[in-house]
Amino acid sequence: NAGVMQNPRHLVRRRGQEARLRCSPMKGHSHVYWYRQLPEEGLKFMVYLQKENIIDESGMPKERFSAEFPKEGPSILRIQQVVRGDSAAYFCASSIQQETQYFGPGTRLLVL
Amino acid sequence: RKEVEQDPGPFNVPEGATVAFNCTYSNSASQSFFWYRQDCRKEPKLLMSVYSSGNEDGRFTAQLNRASQYISLLIRDSKLSDSATYLCVVTPSSASKIIFGSGTRLSIRP
Repeated sequence: NAGVMQNPRHLVRRRGQEARLRCSPMKGHSHVYWYRQLPEEGLKFMVYLQKENIIDESGMPKERFSAEFPKEGPSILRIQQVVRGDSAAYFCASSIQQETQYFGPGTRLLVL
Repeated sequence: RKEVEQDPGPFNVPEGATVAFNCTYSNSASQSFFWYRQDCRKEPKLLMSVYSSGNEDGRFTAQLNRASQYISLLIRDSKLSDSATYLCVVTPSSASKIIFGSGTRLSIRP
């Protein structure tokens, strides 16, 4: 039973480009969460999704960031027009209902 | 006041020592509590859930004090491999998202 998968593991973008981060939850998990972790800081909640629905996006910046979890395929976190301050580790977690969350290995985004 | 607060440390203790961390939370209606462990540049991993009656898993003991709104983690006979950041996690009553503390860094020295 594969765990939560994220790709790419590392992503380098120049300022102004778009970044797309993908997350495949554990088998049987229909709840997906995205978190951001800046260097030397704690995890910050961004968004909580179920299939085809955004449940809570209170932690998501209002501009440039969007997330989706389509009926088929992985969840996508999209960052448009990236800036240097977007450089961070982005972790995805999944759960059954709203129980224990299991994390993927993260995507490390570096904006040059 | 932050929703979940932890002493950032670092705690630097010798191998074999006993070490304890506390974590306070502000929402008295919070329902679920967990301790996660995060190694450097890795993802957080669930260490243990925290129950009202307290629970123990080998060298690790977790306690919940609802009256004072804190949870604790005790590590006995610490090992070098226990060096990590320990994250306190609280689920508010709405359960729409969980709240992570900023973490307590633990370093075990030989």
